Amino acid sequence: QIQLVQSGADVKKPGASVKVSCKASGYTFTSFGITWVRQAPGQGLEWMGWISTYTGNTNYAQSLRDRVTMTTDTSTTTAYMELRSLRSDDTAFYYCARSGSQLWSPVDYWGQGTLVTVSS
Amino acid sequence: QMTQSPSSLSASVGDRITITCRASQGISSSLAWFQQKPGKAPKSLIFAASSLQSGVPSKFSGSGSGTDFNLTITSLQPEDFATYYCQQYNSYPLSFGGGTKVQI
Repeated sequence: QIQLVQSGADVKKPGASVKVSCKASGYTFTSFGITWVRQAPGQGLEWMGWISTYTGNTNYAQSLRDRVTMTTDTSTTTAYMELRSLRSDDTAFYYCARSGSQLWSPVDYWGQGTLVTVSS
Repeated sequence: QMTQSPSSLSASVGDRITITCRASQGISSSLAWFQQKPGKAPKSLIFAASSLQSGVPSKFSGSGSGTDFNLTITSLQPEDFATYYCQQYNSYPLSFGGGTKVQI
């Protein structure tokens, strides 16, 4: 069955970086893209960006473009999202989701989410 | 920008409800709907405005194109009480509506 399994919760200090992983299984990894979405506690969903697992091409939300990097490792079918210069308002659940091979595609399967807490 | 209404609604088991999502510009049929329960990841329900994701029961249905879209849920059951989000994937930045909380 198709699964996206994310890394565990993390606590970081302001100014640090965090890297969340998303291990995919049950399908051909390079035939689909990966979308990242975050959700601050009690808030709605925010689209962060998308990566093509086939080409490595990325498209990021304007608000995060200077601080986020999305990558993939096709040998381990794992996607990564790194966020730098963390601030308290980056405290959120971070989700990966499988999407189409193009940016303009819907998502279907989701990871379980990773809570990142930014606190001094 | 996606605007959902209402932001919350109260309903009873067995009810039929409709949630609306409006896009600030035309997005063709590039709209998805998601269900999220407390403490859980979102679940994909509908894509392309009206196509059900695999395994989603037919009590969920979507309609609309252009700027106005609806999600209808028939015969509400206790497991349907959740927050629902729409998302457009037609243009940058891909964006979500603010959510509709469906409460008993």
